[in-house]
Amino acid sequence: EPEVTQTPSHQVTQMGQEVILRCVPISNHLYFYWYRQILGQKVEFLVSFYNNEISEKSEIFDDQFSVERPDGSNFTLKIRSTKLEDSAMYFCASSVLGGRPPWETQYFGPGTRLLVL
Amino acid sequence: DQQVKQNSPSLSVQEGRISILNCDYTNSMFDYFLWYKKYPAEGPTFLISISSIKDKNEDGRFTVFLNKSAKHLSLHIVPSQPGDSAVYFCAGSPLFTSGNTPLVFGKGTRLSVIA
Repeated sequence: EPEVTQTPSHQVTQMGQEVILRCVPISNHLYFYWYRQILGQKVEFLVSFYNNEISEKSEIFDDQFSVERPDGSNFTLKIRSTKLEDSAMYFCASSVLGGRPPWETQYFGPGTRLLVL
Repeated sequence: DQQVKQNSPSLSVQEGRISILNCDYTNSMFDYFLWYKKYPAEGPTFLISISSIKDKNEDGRFTVFLNKSAKHLSLHIVPSQPGDSAVYFCAGSPLFTSGNTPLVFGKGTRLSVIA
């Protein structure tokens, strides 16, 4: 079964450093998403991406965040200057279709656990 | 601002019995609801959904009930199996996403099914 993959699985960084989280969505999917889950908290939507541009973004997704699809397979989330509160599990997801519904076609990756010290 | 609330952080159920996971929401703009299941070290996976035009949706052992007047939904798993042990997230999606986050999750309920 096709799956969304994410690298690295864990990342430790110093506050103020830039990090890039990588995702390889399912190959025929067109819509891409990032979510995060702070430990013990809810999963939070960050951003959706379609046709090489951001479709929607939440209040969390401020100027320190950016997303890119640098080639035909990768989808990245960059955090420019990490803060302690950016420590979380970051999930990438992709879907064949967009809009709502069908959220049902959204497949999540296993996540990258980011720890900012 | 908890638009989606799952007030029970954990639930234990005997194998073969019914599991009932509850979810409350406050945003009246939500008109579509989903349940996700998450195993450790994996991302959430879609389980079942319901549109606000319905009050029940069934898929095998899983049934979701929606009570719009109470802004409450529940997920029933019958019969519960040990493989159902996971964290279950409720999520709501608003009709209009302009100015709204398109998918809002609750904090999750950890279900343990005991053999």
